[in-house]
Amino acid sequence: GAVVSQHPSRVICKSGTSVKIECRSLDFQATTMFWYRQFPKQSLMLMATSNEGSKATYEQGVEKDKFLINHASLTLSTLTVTSAHPEDSSFYICSASGLAGNSYEQYFGPGTRLTVT
Amino acid sequence: RKEVEQDPGPFNVPEGATVAFNCTYSNSASQSFFWYRQDCRKEPKLLMSVYSSGNEDGRFTAQLNRASQYISLLIRDSKLSDSATYLCVVKLPGAGNNRKLIWGLGTSLAVNP
Repeated sequence: GAVVSQHPSRVICKSGTSVKIECRSLDFQATTMFWYRQFPKQSLMLMATSNEGSKATYEQGVEKDKFLINHASLTLSTLTVTSAHPEDSSFYICSASGLAGNSYEQYFGPGTRLTVT
Repeated sequence: RKEVEQDPGPFNVPEGATVAFNCTYSNSASQSFFWYRQDCRKEPKLLMSVYSSGNEDGRFTAQLNRASQYISLLIRDSKLSDSATYLCVVKLPGAGNNRKLIWGLGTSLAVNP
């Protein structure tokens, strides 16, 4: 149980285009979803926290107009990287938290590797 | 000072060796503590939670010293498959599901035949 999927697993796009990444909780209702970014040889950095049905809370330094987050249902959150630039190339990982079994742990998706050319 | 600090390594050890990783955290109000394992280009996976009394899971032993704000992970009889990056993670206080996880940089372990 407690499976989280992400799609796509890998995407290459041209500079200036927008990319949407989906995060789904497959067997539990995720009341909260977290979006992280990880650059090579760096730790995971939390970008934003989203609760279903409300606006996401962004971490300091993360542009909310560039990284659009939608958490419209208890099983789906999307992250859209708008007008992507090469410096946005990174590993984007979502995690979902909700009552799965008897705990509220964060369960991680497999990540999306974004390359902007 | 970083919120969670780890020695990045790399640690290169032979099979069967015992290896210990250390981690310190800066926020004394931190509530929960974890060790995650991350393989190259993969998502992190929970290895074990860390409790004040210390806890063991097979070859893995985790310790927490709240007074020193220090966490450790000991791996005994290391296997080739233990090669990965080990991430020290601290959960900050907060409301419900919104409690944030703060991640260390990770310690790289390579177990050699």
